[in-house]
Amino acid sequence: KAGVTQTPRYLIKTRGQQVTLSCSPISGHRSVSWYQQTPGQGLQFLFEYFSETQRNKGNFPGRFSGRQFSNSRSEMNVSTLELGDSALYLCASSTGQGGQPQHFGDGTRLSIL
Amino acid sequence: DQQVKQNSPSLSVQEGRISILNCDYTNSMFDYFLWYKKYPAEGPTFLISISSIKDKNEDGRFTVFLNKSAKHLSLHIVPSQPGDSAVYFCAGGSYNTDKLIFGTGTRLQVFP
Repeated sequence: KAGVTQTPRYLIKTRGQQVTLSCSPISGHRSVSWYQQTPGQGLQFLFEYFSETQRNKGNFPGRFSGRQFSNSRSEMNVSTLELGDSALYLCASSTGQGGQPQHFGDGTRLSIL
Repeated sequence: DQQVKQNSPSLSVQEGRISILNCDYTNSMFDYFLWYKKYPAEGPTFLISISSIKDKNEDGRFTVFLNKSAKHLSLHIVPSQPGDSAVYFCAGGSYNTDKLIFGTGTRLQVFP
């Protein structure tokens, strides 16, 4: 069974630009969550999508947005990039049934110059 | 507000010995807890979970203990192997959402 696939693996952008990251969940998984990992901060929850609806949102500015398609694939968009947005962005999928573990992709490393 | 805390940033253990990783939480509303292992350049890998109504869960070399009165959980790895060297994250979750609250991680090094 294929795991969670994130593209691209690495991305370099400059301040002010925007970026779109993609996530393909495990087949049959309907829930996709996004996390930001920065040194010393652990993983910070961005948002969760289930059946194309945002089910939960973390404490990030409106520049961070996402969506989920009918095939459960998800995209995350960050507009007006800032230096502090440099991080590893991780996507995780699950069945969406409470208590089931989330399975993570290998992430997209975003660097802002 | 850091709802899940891992106060030890690193731990070094000899191969064959027990590794004990600790985690404290402040949110009594968590329904379950999970432990993940992360290697460099890879995403976190799920290890083991425990429901908040249990006090112990075991899977092979991995055992998680939950002390609700102390709001503390620990992961025991016995025996420790060099391949266990990684960063370990604990996380708390609720049944009505997939939102997980993670600790900042503990780097485990298992040496020969």
